[in-house]
Amino acid sequence: DAGITQSPRHKVTETGTPVTLRCHQTENHRYMYWYRQDPGHGLRLIHYSYGVKDTDKGEVSDGYSVSRSKTEDFLLTLESATSSQTSVYFCAISELGLANEQFFGPGTRLTVL
Amino acid sequence: RKEVEQDPGPFNVPEGATVAFNCTYSNSASQSFFWYRQDCRKEPKLLMSVYSSGNEDGRFTAQLNRASQYISLLIRDSKLSDSATYLCVVNQAGTALIFGKGTTLSVSS
Repeated sequence: DAGITQSPRHKVTETGTPVTLRCHQTENHRYMYWYRQDPGHGLRLIHYSYGVKDTDKGEVSDGYSVSRSKTEDFLLTLESATSSQTSVYFCAISELGLANEQFFGPGTRLTVL
Repeated sequence: RKEVEQDPGPFNVPEGATVAFNCTYSNSASQSFFWYRQDCRKEPKLLMSVYSSGNEDGRFTAQLNRASQYISLLIRDSKLSDSATYLCVVNQAGTALIFGKGTTLSVSS
């Protein structure tokens, strides 16, 4: 299995609070991604990174920001969490680029009350 | 038309059965195709890439039909452990991967 960890694994928070999720990889892959997965939807891309300090928006980026200060870490921040952001969040990595195979972390289950 | 469409199932089959899933995609410029497997409350895991010539990995066979814009996954001699959701994944013209919603397979003894 690819060396990807996510923290926390579970979190319950209240509407309006800031939340930061962390993804850490030991594979030294250039590309990192944040997805959310909800019932009735496929995995949807939130943001991705193609290098340190290089990030771009995905399909559902509103309400989320990201940062990547080191190759191994990719942070996802919800500045002011809303109930619609209750979801399972997956981090993924890939070595060669957006159109290539990705490997996923174990996920973070976030509940916003 | 949705970008990647899969029959959600569930497909309920007995052990030893052969089962096939199809997936259609809308972007004719798509270049990369994958099948992922996702167990309940777990992360998706790459099952296999799909090549133009088709490819086989043990009991699993993947095919690509560019003319009709679909890919398929065939599972032979189903095992209880094959029970999972299978995700069809297609790239969109060299940009981000697009994930289907998945097809659920339940194999029973």
